[in-house]
Amino acid sequence: GQNIDQPTEMTATEGAIVQINCTYQTSGFNGLFWYQQHAGEAPTFLSYNVLDGLEEKGRFSSFLSRSKGYSYLLLKELQMKDSASYLCAVTFGDYKLSFGAGTTVTVRA
Amino acid sequence: IAGITQAPTSQILAAGRRMTLRCTQDMRHNAMYWYRQDLGLGLRLIHYSNTAGTTGKGEVPDGYSVSRANTDDFPLTLASAVPSQTSVYFCASSLGPEANEQFFGPGTRLTVL
Repeated sequence: GQNIDQPTEMTATEGAIVQINCTYQTSGFNGLFWYQQHAGEAPTFLSYNVLDGLEEKGRFSSFLSRSKGYSYLLLKELQMKDSASYLCAVTFGDYKLSFGAGTTVTVRA
Repeated sequence: IAGITQAPTSQILAAGRRMTLRCTQDMRHNAMYWYRQDLGLGLRLIHYSNTAGTTGKGEVPDGYSVSRANTDDFPLTLASAVPSQTSVYFCASSLGPEANEQFFGPGTRLTVL
């Protein structure tokens, strides 16, 4: 693996904000992806970061710091349907995706 | 067909048997991939194909083989299944090997007894 680390589980309340952190080794880094995966379903693409900074897409935002080997996915105005696993994935020199183990987010009413 | 499909949806297989998981996409994507997903380990790349006629090994290729005779199909074969190959298998495709987004199929749940 490529030492891609993210928390195993997070719980938050409907309407709240949750931030999922992801760290990775910086050597050979190309870009970072976030995928969403509902239980029993396929992963679906959320975001792609290649440059430093914040990318906003509706209620979801993704941040990247290349020098620190760090990214986060921010989920705002949480809804029950946001309960899912969120996968951090990184491409290195060969452009193949290396995935973290995923963070399971549970949204409570 | 819309997007990427996999067959079968699920399968229970006796150890030692041969099994081929099928994957077909209709998006004319050049690159295709096979992953396995295991609890606590995340998705791991088994094999990939950057374009029709070429294949390459991923992180966990042992016990698996692939072929890419045309753009649309990318079957994964387990020559002699073992219990450690029990997993959920996802096929994915992208426009090219350096594309920003991969599209995943619905997955095949395989149990080897």
